[in-house]
Amino acid sequence: KNEVEQSPQNLTAQEGEFITINCSYSVGISALHWLQQHPGGGIVSLFMLSSGKKKHGRLIATINIQEKHSSLHITASHPRDSAVYICAVRTGNQFYFGTGTSLTVIP
Amino acid sequence: NAGVTQTPKFRILKIGQSMTLQCAQDMNHNYMYWYRQDPGMGLKLIYYSVGAGITDKGEVPNGYNVSRSTTEDFPLRLELAAPSQTSVYFCASRMTGWGGGNQPQHFGDGTRLSIL
Repeated sequence: KNEVEQSPQNLTAQEGEFITINCSYSVGISALHWLQQHPGGGIVSLFMLSSGKKKHGRLIATINIQEKHSSLHITASHPRDSAVYICAVRTGNQFYFGTGTSLTVIP
Repeated sequence: NAGVTQTPKFRILKIGQSMTLQCAQDMNHNYMYWYRQDPGMGLKLIYYSVGAGITDKGEVPNGYNVSRSTTEDFPLRLELAAPSQTSVYFCASRMTGWGGGNQPQHFGDGTRLSIL
C-alpha cells in the first residue's frame, strides 16, 4: 500500500499550457511538501503546506485537508519546468513520498 | 553556505563489502534523514535523527546503520553490501524549532551506489 498517490505518472505539455499534478494521501499529516527533481537528480523543495494555498511565481499549490488531496499547478509552462515533481507528506517524524510525476514541456 | 554535502557521488561495491556514505550540513539543522530512491519508486526513509546522539529507524532500515555524533554529520553505514542495496541515496536536513516543525527539507545531490 502507498500512503501517497500521484497522478498522472507522466505528462507532456506544449509550452504555455496550464498544468495540474494531483496528490492524494491516506494518512494524517502534519504537512505536505511538493518537491522538484531535476534531470540531473538534484531535489529541491518547492512548497510546504498544512492548509490553504501557496503561490510562488508561476507555481501554485493547494491542499484540502478534509479530502486528503493536494494539487500543484504550473501556469504558462516552459521547457525549463521539465522535471519530476514529487509529493511528500510528513506524519510525526516520518516522511512518505509519491512516485513522482514526470513532466515534459515541449517548445 | 554549502548546504547538504554528500560524498561520494558514485561508488561501485562488490557483494559483502562495507562502506560509509557521508553526509554533512552546515545549516545547524537538528533533523537529518537518509533516503533511498529506486527506479519507479518513491523515496523511502531509511533512518533519521532528531539531534546529535539520537537516531531512529525509518521505513526501510534493514542492512544499514547510522550514527549522529555531531549536529553536522550523519553517516550511513552499509556493513555487508547486497545487490538489493543498489540505489540512489539522498541525505536531507531540516530545522525545527519554536512553533512547530513545518520547515522544508534541504537535500544533498545524492550518491549513486551499485552493488555487483
